[in-house]
Amino acid sequence: DAGVTQSPTHLIKTRGQQVTLRCSPISGHKSVSWYQQVLGQGPQFIFQYYEKEERGRGNFPDRFSARQFPNYSSELNVNALLLGDSALYLCASSFGLAGGNPGELFFGEGSRLTVL
Amino acid sequence: GQQLNQSPQSMFIQEGEDVSMNCTSSSIFNTWLWYKQDPGEGPVLLIALYKAGELTSNGRLTAQFGITRKDSFLNISASIPSDVGIYFCAGLNYGGSQGNLIFGKGTKLSVKP
Repeated sequence: DAGVTQSPTHLIKTRGQQVTLRCSPISGHKSVSWYQQVLGQGPQFIFQYYEKEERGRGNFPDRFSARQFPNYSSELNVNALLLGDSALYLCASSFGLAGGNPGELFFGEGSRLTVL
Repeated sequence: GQQLNQSPQSMFIQEGEDVSMNCTSSSIFNTWLWYKQDPGEGPVLLIALYKAGELTSNGRLTAQFGITRKDSFLNISASIPSDVGIYFCAGLNYGGSQGNLIFGKGTKLSVKP
């Protein structure tokens, strides 16, 4: 069974550019969450989507946005990139309100973003 | 906002030794979870705890949900080289988004054969 898949795995952007990261959840999972992990830190929550609706938002600026598609895949967009946006962006899927145990997230390998 | 204090930050131990790490919070959580992250990969769930006082094992791993709901610990018995990695505690409150985990900063474990 395929796990959570993310693309691209690595990318380099310059300040001011925009980036789109993609995530496909585990089959049967209806919830996708996005996390930012800066080097040496734990993951920090950005968004959760369930059934195409935003269900939670972390303390990130409006430059960060996301959406979920009818097939439950998701995109994270970051506009006007700053040097501080350099991080590993993790996508996690779960059953969400459709079942499963709370907090049991299944993470992808992440997209490593470097902003120069 | 909520923060988790995870300790120790790093550990360097001999193969076969037992390991203990813990996590404390200034506020309560409904769920405590422990994840492990290997280099170049995403975190993998090890143990989830749902009730205060709960003690749960997964093979050589044992974790407990503190009775005050503000802390948790993880023990690894008889460590082996593949235990190397970064261990994160995470807390969840049901009042918020169920995808909104609060993570600690991690404990980096190194095992010497």
